[in-house]
Parts: sequence; C-alpha cells; structure tokens
Amino acid sequence: EIVLTQSPGTLSLSPGERATLSCRASQSVSSSYLAWYQQKPGQAPRLLIYGASSRATGIPDRFSGSGSGTDFTLSISRLEPEDFAVYYCQQYGSSPRTFGQGTKVEIK
Amino acid sequence: QVQLQESGPGLVKPSGTLSLTCAVSGGSISSSNWWSWIRQPPGKGLEWIGEIYQSGSTNYNPSLQSRVTISIDKSKNQFSLKLSSVTAADTAVYYCARMPGAIGVTYFDYWGQGTLVTVSS
Repeated sequence: EIVLTQSPGTLSLSPGERATLSCRASQSVSSSYLAWYQQKPGQAPRLLIYGASSRATGIPDRFSGSGSGTDFTLSISRLEPEDFAVYYCQQYGSSPRTFGQGTKVEIK
Repeated sequence: QVQLQESGPGLVKPSGTLSLTCAVSGGSISSSNWWSWIRQPPGKGLEWIGEIYQSGSTNYNPSLQSRVTISIDKSKNQFSLKLSSVTAADTAVYYCARMPGAIGVTYFDYWGQGTLVTVSS
C-alpha cells in the first residue's frame, strides 16, 4: 500500500498570498497517477488536479499541480476567500487507492 | 451532468450490516466508467472502500475486503454497498463516486453529497 504524507498539516495564510502544499509518497506513484481534491465543511471533495498536473474541468488556473515519482506539489497562486478549505492528495496508480491525511488552509 | 445520490439507513446496530445505494442520473451506469465507495469518519480523512465496473468486476480495499460487497443494478442505474459486522469504527460519511474510463486506473471526478451512517445500539 502506498502511504501519502501531506505537509504541512495546517497552512495559515492571508487572501492574495501563495499557498504551496506538499504530498510525499512512500513509493513511486506510477505514471504520475496522482490527484488533488478540495473539501469544504459539510461538502463532498471536489476534484482539482489529476495526472499530477492536469486541471479538472472548471478549475481556475490559479490552481496548479506538479511533481513526479514520490514528491508532488499543489500550488494556489493567489488565495481567494473561497479557497480556504482542506486539500487531499490521492494516488490511483495502484490498489488500494489511498489518500493523504489532508492539509487545512486557513485564514491567517 | 452526472449526479450521484446515496441513500440508506442512517443508523445501524453493532454487528449488523450497513447497506447503502447510490443512484446515478445524467448518465448510464453501463458506460465505460468505474463506480466507487469512499468513506470519511467524522473529523478524519478519506478511505477508499472499493469499486465496481459494469461487468461486475470489483476491487476492494484489503483492510475491508472480508466484510465488503459492492454490486451493480444496471436496470435501476445504481450500485450498492454492503458492509457486514459493523462496529463503531465504521461510523462515517459514506460517499459514492465515479471513476472515468474503462481501465480503472483513474481518479474520482463526480461525487455524491455523502450520507452519514452511525453505528450504535
């Protein structure tokens, strides 16, 4: 099983600032089969990024993903008020599908 | 626009069986996609439970495999989850989701709103 470790646990930032979230895998994620999701309280997760760097339909270009192998990053170039949420990475290259424990982006 | 909607009892007794259904609208469950169940204990992270294809092929999380059955009903355009011998540790919000593509190596692009299932006597 591939274990995904996200850091930091919590990121305190102000609107307009840049956010950088990390996701590290315990072994290489094949073919960059890594996705990022955003979850707000009381809501289902929303797909942001798949294939490590491809934005899902309707996702603003301030969201970008990068990385390969065992190290992946989600960047939010300028935080908007609606971006404060919990973010999860997920690998789908091997079974079982696994998620990171999440990074909370909170308003400073 | 594909929509998924979970339904089922919100309270299950310990040692009982949790049963949920996910109704798919805006698309056919017989299309080339996989369909999955994911859960989230209150205040915690996400755990993949398992997935099914239109053919009936399934993959389960080894941590739950002995207790999980996922099935598909093409006539009703829905798929279902059964989790047996439940304990309080199975209390969670249960989500159904779509995995686009026939290969199965893919992400979750559409999610249901989730349903809270509490295991308690």
